[in-house]
Order: sequence, then structure tokens, then C-alpha cells
Amino acid sequence: AQSVTQLDSQVPVFEEAPVELRCNYSSSVSVYLFWYVQYPNQGLQLLLKYLSGSTLVKGINGFEAEFNKSQTSFHLRKPSVHISDTAEYFCAVSDRTKKLTFGTGTRLTIIP
Amino acid sequence: NAGVMQNPRHLVRRRGQEARLRCSPMKGHSHVYWYRQLPEEGLKFMVYLQKENIIDESGMPKERFSAEFPKEGPSILRIQQVVRGDSAAYFCASSLGLVSYNEQFFGPGTRLTVL
Repeated sequence: AQSVTQLDSQVPVFEEAPVELRCNYSSSVSVYLFWYVQYPNQGLQLLLKYLSGSTLVKGINGFEAEFNKSQTSFHLRKPSVHISDTAEYFCAVSDRTKKLTFGTGTRLTIIP
Repeated sequence: NAGVMQNPRHLVRRRGQEARLRCSPMKGHSHVYWYRQLPEEGLKFMVYLQKENIIDESGMPKERFSAEFPKEGPSILRIQQVVRGDSAAYFCASSLGLVSYNEQFFGPGTRLTVL
């Protein structure tokens, strides 16, 4: 069985400051890792994914994430946030069953 | 290229009524997934379908819920005799399904409110 833990339910950050959203997972098999963003009253949009290869993954909107197998983590980072980054961010894991297991989400609020 | 379409976007039902949620996958996608998002929670997998087949329904409640993806037309998630606890956002996603991982593209969701 797989599980995803997002340690922070809410993260307030000043505009132009860096941010890290934490994600830890547990799985007994090799996994694929994803970060999705959800804007209010909308569906989910894929930010980035880790399938294999380089552990540093770059995504859209200036976000990147690093896969750390020994720490079973996949933290999301951005060096300088904008007001438009205000949204809910979900970490997810998938294996060969193809279904996604999501964390409970982190609400990122950007303070002007 | 249109994305994943879901309708209705908002649905209000009284307890005991039926709710039918529709999902049209992206063009060329033959795999559909349904997820439920309860208030203040993440998305929970419900069911995974291919055309005319249910592949994995391990997340579906055993009673009142059913899903189909016919050869023609959208995928349907049906909830019979709705209760207040069914109030949630229901998201559909689709994928090509050709590789072991899948990039799932999500629709805007249907927000079900049970009065």
C-alpha cells in the first residue's frame, strides 16, 4: 500500500521569497511521483513528475522538485514566488496500478 | 484540443435522489479515472475504467455507487439514493494508458451538494 504525507497544511510566504512544500511517501515498490496544483474551483494541473533518471525535476511556472530515495521525499521548491502562485498543491504517487494516491494538500498563500 | 470535460459543474440533489456525473475524456484517451475530494481533504481514487471495462474499482463504496465507460459516449459515475456524506467534488481524469506510468489530465470537477 502506498501513502503520501504532506506535513504542512498551510504555508504563508511573502511575495518574491523562496518556498518549499514538503512531501514524503511510503511504498514497497518503485513509484512515480507527481506534484499537482489546484486553483480555486478548478481541476488539477500537473506541475511536474518524476519517473526515473535525474533526481532534480523541473516543471512549469518555475517550480522544481528533488526526489530523495533514502529519505522517501519529493519536496517542491520555487526560488521566488508570485501572487499568482496562491493555490492548493498536491503531491501524489503512482505505481503500475496507475491509480494516483494523493496527499492531503498544502495551501500556499502569498503575502504581498 | 479540448481537455477533459465534466458536466454538470454543479449538481444539487436532495437525500434519496440519484446523481449522474458525466466525463468526456481528452480526444484519443481511452482510460478514465474517477476521484472524490471531500472538503478539506485530498483526492481519493474511486475507479479506473477503459472502454467497456472496469479495471480497478477498489476505491468505490460497495453500495449505491457505480461507474461505466461505454463504447460510445462519456463515462458516467452514478450515485443512487444520495446522502449528505456524498457531498464532495468529483473529478475525472483521462490518460492514453499506453505506458506503465500515466500522466492523468483532470477535468474541472463536478461539485455535488446533497441537501
